[in-house]
Amino acid sequence: QLQLQESGPGLVKPSETLSLTCSVSGDSISSSNHNWGWIRQPPGKGLEWIGSIHYSGSTYYNPSFRSRVTISVDTSKNQLYLKLPSVTAADMAIYYCAREREVHTYGRSHFAYWGQGALVAVSS
Amino acid sequence: DIVMTQSPDSLAVSLGERATINCKSSQSLLYSSNNRDYLAWYQQKPGQPPKLLIYSASTRESGVPDRFSGSGSGTDFTLTISNLQAEDVAVYHCQQYFSIPVTFGQGTRLEIK
Repeated sequence: QLQLQESGPGLVKPSETLSLTCSVSGDSISSSNHNWGWIRQPPGKGLEWIGSIHYSGSTYYNPSFRSRVTISVDTSKNQLYLKLPSVTAADMAIYYCAREREVHTYGRSHFAYWGQGALVAVSS
Repeated sequence: DIVMTQSPDSLAVSLGERATINCKSSQSLLYSSNNRDYLAWYQQKPGQPPKLLIYSASTRESGVPDRFSGSGSGTDFTLTISNLQAEDVAVYHCQQYFSIPVTFGQGTRLEIK
């Protein structure tokens, strides 16, 4: 059974870099043609897609984040990563990693598998 | 970006009754080459991640009760929950995946009357 688990610091200082890891079990990132994505949800608000990655390295980013965010993958560890530098209070959110339901979407994904989410606060 | 607007923001429905949630996109989500609407619905219960209910506007994800149904095409879509159960209390989100960036509606909170 596919499982995703986000991990990382729960508190980041303003202007520092938010770094999260998503550990995948029950499926191999390198043998899956699915894209793996990051989505965030500020407390009490809606969902916002950050970007997605394929194990080949192809990435798809939300232009709202493109200049800031880096999504990467380590197939040997079966993990994907999110780095968001220069955070502000507006970046406080629950960050989810997820796997899309279909393949060959070129980033136009809907997500069938989600991690439980990691709450990241931004405060000095 | 395609803007997704849900209505209402919240609603309260009696047990056993029908709940209807609407979602409107700022442009058509119908992909002409395969005649599919690139619209999904999710259910999110408190403290949990979203759960995919419906994709392609009307196809239920495996394991989703048939009380949940999706309809609509183009720019106007509806999620209908028949015979409302207590466990259906949640926030429901629509999402378009017609174009990047994929975008979500603001969510609709469903409660029991």
